[in-house]
Amino acid sequence: DAKTTQPTSMDCAEGRAANLPCNHSTISGNEYVYWYRQIHSQGPQYIIHGLKNNETNEMASLIITEDRKSSTLILPHATLRDTAVYYCIVRVPNYGGSQGNLIFGKGTKLSVKP
Amino acid sequence: DVKVTQSSRYLVKRTGEKVFLECVQDMDHENMFWYRQDPGLGLRLIYFSYDVKMKEKGDIPEGYSVSREKKERFSLILESASTNQTSMYLCATMGQIPDTQYFGPGTRLTVL
Repeated sequence: DAKTTQPTSMDCAEGRAANLPCNHSTISGNEYVYWYRQIHSQGPQYIIHGLKNNETNEMASLIITEDRKSSTLILPHATLRDTAVYYCIVRVPNYGGSQGNLIFGKGTKLSVKP
Repeated sequence: DVKVTQSSRYLVKRTGEKVFLECVQDMDHENMFWYRQDPGLGLRLIYFSYDVKMKEKGDIPEGYSVSREKKERFSLILESASTNQTSMYLCATMGQIPDTQYFGPGTRLTVL
């Protein structure tokens, strides 16, 4: 899996947009960018993924730079419940099997404050 | 929404006991996974299953076995629990979209 770099921690005010960056300068052409988060003492939660186009779903938006060397996860109106560790993963899509193991790095600890 | 449930949130067992952790999903997904998560070590894959009665070892299968008799249910078995199996155990499923895994709430197992 391509290496990703994320800030260790970030703060965000409740109701404001949270922008979480991820650098993946060695990404290859067939690797996707996935975002997961893990709220304390809970299982990880899938958020969004993309290849090169920007993506949006009910949880977040994913902006991928044109050269694909970095991306930003945007939570448009952060709430206290969005406080979690956010993981950016870059990999070739896997349909299960022995390569299905998701490898989470250290992630970014996002603290949403009132 | 995908729903993945695990039989217990917290479990305390004694060394040598046989332990069953159960995972149930309601989305008819073929792929199911068992991970353990430890501080500083991240998620590590124990076993996975890609169909009923089909299973394959992950990275750390020693001391564990699994059972998948029905599509919606994937069980993790610790044959003889040891203290180094104290951990958070996470079950996940994956449907048609690759690498979008849906996790259960986790079971925090303590082996005394």
